[in-house]
Amino acid sequence: KAGVTQTPRYLIKTRGQQVTLSCSPISGHRSVSWYQQTPGQGLQFLFEYFSETQRNKGNFPGRFSGRQFSNSRSEMNVSTLELGDSALYLCASSISESTDTQYFGPGTRLTVL
Amino acid sequence: GQQLNQSPQSMFIQEGEDVSMNCTSSSIFNTWLWYKQDPGEGPVLLIALYKAGELTSNGRLTAQFGITRKDSFLNISASIPSDVGIYFCAGLKTGNQFYFGTGTSLTVIP
Repeated sequence: KAGVTQTPRYLIKTRGQQVTLSCSPISGHRSVSWYQQTPGQGLQFLFEYFSETQRNKGNFPGRFSGRQFSNSRSEMNVSTLELGDSALYLCASSISESTDTQYFGPGTRLTVL
Repeated sequence: GQQLNQSPQSMFIQEGEDVSMNCTSSSIFNTWLWYKQDPGEGPVLLIALYKAGELTSNGRLTAQFGITRKDSFLNISASIPSDVGIYFCAGLKTGNQFYFGTGTSLTVIP
């Protein structure tokens, strides 16, 4: 069974631009969560989607948004990029929202110049 | 967001030595998880713990869910070079939101 896939793996943007990241969960998994990982802050929860609905949201500004499609694939969008948005963005999938075991993708490394 | 207190922050050990790390919180968690992350990759799940007091092993790894439900421990026995990486604990509360530890960076010297 294929694991969680994230595209692109690497991305370079400039301040003010916007970016869309994609995540395909493990087949059969319906819950997708997004995290931001930086050396200073560690892993920070962004949001979780289940059955196309946002179930939980972390403490991030409205520039960070996401959505989930009917096939459980998810996208995350960051608008008006700032230098501080440079990070590894990780997607994790689990079978359902009540399932505690999450499986992470390899992440998208975003660099904002 | 809330983070769990993980210690030590980094460890440098000789190959063959045993390793211990722990994770503590002021809050109670329903589930504890331990992950390992290699550079440039996402965390990989090592062990999941579901009950207070539970002790679970995965090969040379052993983890325990603290009785108070506020802490967890991970031990690695007879370390080998491929154990190098960053180890994260994660706690799950009701509502399915995960909180992560600050990570323990492990270096194994051959």
